[in-house]
Amino acid sequence: DIQMTQSPSSLSASVGDRVIITCRASQGIGNDLGWYQQKPGKAPERLIYAASSLQSGAPSRFSGSGSGTEFTLTISSLQPEDCATYYCSQHNSYPVTFGGGTKVEIK
Amino acid sequence: EVQLVESGGGLVQPGGSLRLSCAASGFTFSDHYMDWVRQAPMKGLEWVARIRKKANSYTTEYAASVKGRFTISRDDSSNSLYLQMNSLKTEDTAVYYCVRVNDQNKYTFDHWGQGTLVSVSS
Repeated sequence: DIQMTQSPSSLSASVGDRVIITCRASQGIGNDLGWYQQKPGKAPERLIYAASSLQSGAPSRFSGSGSGTEFTLTISSLQPEDCATYYCSQHNSYPVTFGGGTKVEIK
Repeated sequence: EVQLVESGGGLVQPGGSLRLSCAASGFTFSDHYMDWVRQAPMKGLEWVARIRKKANSYTTEYAASVKGRFTISRDDSSNSLYLQMNSLKTEDTAVYYCVRVNDQNKYTFDHWGQGTLVSVSS
């Protein structure tokens, strides 16, 4: 199985800060990676697919980059509504695997 | 508008069975692979199973943790997805999400249902 390692597991930042979340795959997955946002008590929602393509309707302050084994999700200017847990997932091979999640809070 | 509505969750004893359903609307259900993803209380996301579309012979994939106990199926005539869960264990306790797979977007999960809670306890 491909292991997905996210860091940090949690972070606290101020409104307007730039936030970077990292996801590492245990083997190369090309760009077969998605990022999902989950707010408390809600189902996850897709933010990014193919490592860097923004989901239609998602705010442009979110961006994704990377390929192979190293990926990042960047929030260019953190907003209060971005408080959530973020997950990466690889869709390169079975089983589909998720990172452990990064909880983002406002300082 | 794409909608995925799960049902069938509840409390069941270890060793018991449960069948989850997902009613899909707002898109051509038969054109999509469909998955189940679960989330144990206060834990992360875990992929459970996939069923491909008719053009791919409705073939299936399972996580090792559920293989041999769970069966994913679909009925394209009624736009429904199912998960038959047998020999349930306490570690199967989770919210189960019905998920649409987008094969144009690297097979990522572009729509999620609201989830249905399965509790396995004596």
